[in-house]
Amino acid sequence: GAVVSQHPSWVICKSGTSVKIECRSLDFQATTMFWYRQFPKQSLMLMATSNEGSKATYEQGVEKDKFLINHASLTLSTLTVTSAHPEDSSFYICSARDRHRGDADTQYFGPGTRLTVL
Amino acid sequence: QKEVEQDPGPLSVPEGAIVSLNCTYSNSAFQYFMWYRQYSRKGPELLMYTYSSGNKEDGRFTAQVDKSSKYISLFIRDSQPSDSATYLCAMTGGGADGLTFGKGTHLIIQP
Repeated sequence: GAVVSQHPSWVICKSGTSVKIECRSLDFQATTMFWYRQFPKQSLMLMATSNEGSKATYEQGVEKDKFLINHASLTLSTLTVTSAHPEDSSFYICSARDRHRGDADTQYFGPGTRLTVL
Repeated sequence: QKEVEQDPGPLSVPEGAIVSLNCTYSNSAFQYFMWYRQYSRKGPELLMYTYSSGNKEDGRFTAQVDKSSKYISLFIRDSQPSDSATYLCAMTGGGADGLTFGKGTHLIIQP
């Protein structure tokens, strides 16, 4: 149980284009989903917290107009990188919290999406 | 000072050895502590979850939390080459908070 998927697993795009990444909880309902970014040999950095049916909360320094997050259902959150630039190239990972589990603070991570902007 | 400090390694040990990984933190609001394993270019996999201080054991893995010292540890017994990965500590105050991660320790188990 507690499986989280991401799509696509990797994407290469031209500078200035927009890229959408999907995060799905496959076998549980996720009240809250999180988006992280990981640069090579660095740790995961929280970008934003996404609650179903409400606006995402962004961490300091993360541009909300550049990284659009939509959490339309209890099993799906999307991250859209708008007008992507080479410095946005990174490994984007989502996680989901299972609302029905007793250890409700446990987050289950997706496999990640590697974005390369040319 | 970063909120969570973790030695990035690499840490190289022979197969069968006991491995000790640890993190220190500065935020006393952290209540929930986790250890994740991450293979290259993959998402983190939850290994251990601990609330507040104490020990927790699961198979070859033991997690320890000492809130008074703001220090957490993960022990791996009878280490195997397949344990070679990056181990990330993570913690949160709970509620709707995201996780704060350490930088990760790259562990290499030599056959």
